[in-house]
Amino acid sequence: QKEVEQNSGPLSVPEGAIASLNCTYSDRVSQSFFWYRQYSGKSPELIMSIYSNGDKEDGRFTAQLNKASQYVSLLIRDSQPSDSATYLCAVSDSGGYNKLIFGAGTRLAVHP
Amino acid sequence: DAGVTQSPTHLIKTRGQHVTLRCSPISGHKSVSWYQQVLGQGPQFIFQYYEKEERGRGNFPDRFSARQFPNYSSELNVNALLLGDSALYLCASSSDAGTAYEQYFGPGTRLTVT
Repeated sequence: QKEVEQNSGPLSVPEGAIASLNCTYSDRVSQSFFWYRQYSGKSPELIMSIYSNGDKEDGRFTAQLNKASQYVSLLIRDSQPSDSATYLCAVSDSGGYNKLIFGAGTRLAVHP
Repeated sequence: DAGVTQSPTHLIKTRGQHVTLRCSPISGHKSVSWYQQVLGQGPQFIFQYYEKEERGRGNFPDRFSARQFPNYSSELNVNALLLGDSALYLCASSSDAGTAYEQYFGPGTRLTVT
């Protein structure tokens, strides 16, 4: 059973701080990794994709990947109350088609 | 450009009934995947279709079926509805079928089975 694990939270950070969200996965062969943001009652929105070891930055977001440790993280700098949402980590299945395996998500709360 | 569209937005059905959910992918995208999201959990993969052919199937019973049309839109059908089928059904669109391609979700259809 291929799994993606995330801390359910809530992760509470003050406005302006760095929020750090973590994810581990079980399938060593996975090649593609994604972070989605989901507001309550809405559908997931893709915010980052990462395929190689190291860091990838996009605005206030930085994704980090360590395939040896089977670990993916998302850093949100200068957190805003509008960043309050559930963040879903998704890992591509190694079965050869475009199946994503999702974690249960981490709820982030940014307080003013 | 329009994103992924899904219809209907909400649906209430009775146990034992049948339901059809519809999805139109982003223009130019040829792959559609369906996911089920139960409250408090991440989405679970149901099907992937690419160029009108089923490319992958998740761990769901045969009551779930889908198809993709020549214009790349897709339908998800669920027969003999159970209370446990109540969930948010998400359609995801990607430009191609491989694992590296990003998937973009539609707004979802919230199905309630009573």
